Amino acid sequence: GEDVEQSLFLSVREGDSSVINCTYTDSSSTYLYWYKQEPGAGLQLLTYIFSNMDMKQDQRLTVLLNKKDKHLSLRIADTQTGDSAIYFCAEGGRGSTLGRLYFGRGTQLTVWP
Amino acid sequence: KAGVTQTPRYLIKTRGQQVTLSCSPISGHRSVSWYQQTPGQGLQFLFEYFSETQRNKGNFPGRFSGRQFSNSRSEMNVSTLELGDSALYLCASSLVGGNNEQFFGPGTRLTVL
Repeated sequence: GEDVEQSLFLSVREGDSSVINCTYTDSSSTYLYWYKQEPGAGLQLLTYIFSNMDMKQDQRLTVLLNKKDKHLSLRIADTQTGDSAIYFCAEGGRGSTLGRLYFGRGTQLTVWP
Repeated sequence: KAGVTQTPRYLIKTRGQQVTLSCSPISGHRSVSWYQQTPGQGLQFLFEYFSETQRNKGNFPGRFSGRQFSNSRSEMNVSTLELGDSALYLCASSLVGGNNEQFFGPGTRLTVL
């Protein structure tokens, strides 16, 4: 199976909160990341969390990590149409492959005005 | 500080040709990773270089190769191009060590005809 799994699509109305979920498999991963990709562009690092943390907040973004269930989520408060993009969850920092990131397939977020 | 730059941004080649893509990391970053992104396979890790040495390698055939120079700039080469090599090739750089944040360039869109 995939190392990192995410649902493929999410639609929300402008002003609502969005929650994008991700599950991963390797408990040795040290860091977990969220990237954003807009059409025709590269990946933008949004935020990351260390595996020894439960939560991290950064302006409108809140990351929650449940290590026991290997579950990561990204909450975007007050979602705007400009947040429409593909969001990738990634894990990294595995001891054997330190420089490598393992990505999910991405969640397409559509924000309706 | 300038971000990760990749050249060229777009490339069209025919089957059997070879191609070289270039990546200049953020100043001070010593690690460069390469990823292939396709609609069917998502983001696939190619290889990672640190201090001119390949540290990690993904599951790609030997037609895919890379190198890193003493100034940390990296190139990847694909020989004997196949139609299936059409993809967005993304390069990422990181300081190495610490939280291993990887910052991506805009990518090179390769089309093989």
